[in-house]
Amino acid sequence: EADIYQTPRYLVIGTGKKITLECSQTMGHDKMYWYQQDPGMELHLIHYSYGVNSTEKGDLSSESTVSRIRTEHFPLTLESARPSHTSQYLCASSEDSRNTGELFFGEGSRLTVL
Amino acid sequence: GDSVTQMEGPVTLSEEAFLTINCTYTATGYPSLFWYVQYPGEGLQLLLKATKADDKGSNKGFEATYRKETTSFHLEKGSVQVSDSAVYFCALSDEWNQGGKLIFGQGTELSVKP
Repeated sequence: EADIYQTPRYLVIGTGKKITLECSQTMGHDKMYWYQQDPGMELHLIHYSYGVNSTEKGDLSSESTVSRIRTEHFPLTLESARPSHTSQYLCASSEDSRNTGELFFGEGSRLTVL
Repeated sequence: GDSVTQMEGPVTLSEEAFLTINCTYTATGYPSLFWYVQYPGEGLQLLLKATKADDKGSNKGFEATYRKETTSFHLEKGSVQVSDSAVYFCALSDEWNQGGKLIFGQGTELSVKP
């Protein structure tokens, strides 16, 4: 069973607020990812990290930012939330020493911006 | 670039019916192929995988065969249950993609009625 946790699970906030979505894993994985899942279910990679102090933007442009100060922690921040940021955000990690692409996902954070 | 195409949903079946969800891919290298499942309100979890041509992945009664000649990885199950209702994602990880990033299809929602 995967040990990757996301908080909060659900968040409803007003426009302009700053929010941080937390993601932690206890598996010692170097690689971590953030996906945005739109209402049509499609998944878009918005950020990833190969290890401490390494962060890269994904395939979908996002106004969010991430940090990776500790191996187990990969938070995502929105400085000023807007209704267009309403979505589900999924965090994932991978050991992937053999580059086989298997990811472990958290349960997701569903964000609603009013 | 690499891509994955799945059959559109939703797919609605009666319990004990046969399931096929089509998946085809485009890749420049030698990808590994995956099926992930997302149950309502949860994150994604790996269902099965195949890492080379002609491999068959199987789990929980589901199976899929990596067909290089038709660039396909169709998901099948002989007798579905109500508990199989979920969204199914086909994905690939290219051998040459050192980031280990997964490329997902758009997802296929399955609804199984009693």
